[in-house]
Amino acid sequence: AQSVTQLDSQVPVFEEAPVELRCNYSSSVSVYLFWYVQYPNQGLQLLLKYLSGSTLVESINGFEAEFNKSQTSFHLRKPSVHISDTAEYFCAVSDPRGGADGLTFGKGTHLIIQP
Amino acid sequence: GAGVSQSPSNKVTEKGKDVELRCDPISGHTALYWYRQSLGQGLEFLIYFQGNSAPDKSGLPSDRFSAERTGGSVSTLTIQRTQQEDSAVYLCASSLRFHEQYFGPGTRLTVT
Repeated sequence: AQSVTQLDSQVPVFEEAPVELRCNYSSSVSVYLFWYVQYPNQGLQLLLKYLSGSTLVESINGFEAEFNKSQTSFHLRKPSVHISDTAEYFCAVSDPRGGADGLTFGKGTHLIIQP
Repeated sequence: GAGVSQSPSNKVTEKGKDVELRCDPISGHTALYWYRQSLGQGLEFLIYFQGNSAPDKSGLPSDRFSAERTGGSVSTLTIQRTQQEDSAVYLCASSLRFHEQYFGPGTRLTVT
């Protein structure tokens, strides 16, 4: 069984400040890791993913996440946030052996950008 | 190309009624997933279809929930005798490779 913990339900940040959204996971097997973003009244969009290879992965809109196996973490970071980054962010894991169990999501972190 | 579509976008129903939620996956995607998003439970995985194979129903919350996928494409999630605790946003996702799931906009179900 797998589980994902996002300790912060809300993170308020001033515009142009850096931000880190924390994600820790628990699994008895290796996992694939994902960050999804949900803008108000919209569906989930894949932000970035770690499957293998380089532990640092980047998205096209300036976010990055680093897989740390020893700490079982996959924290999301952005050096300078914008008002448009206001959204709910979900960390998720899946079993590389197959999709029968779907994605296991964390509870989500609401990123609030203050002007 | 077109993304995952779901209908209806909103559904209000009376307790005890049956509802059907529809999902049209991205053309060519062989895998289809249903999730439920609610305030109390977050995002829960419900059921997974791979092609025309029989799905694993163990994630469905009760026997009032059922799902089918016709012709390896469109899927319908049916909830019988709806209860207030069924109120949630029901999300559908599809993928070609199981680890890259693309989500639809969801159906917001309100049971009164």
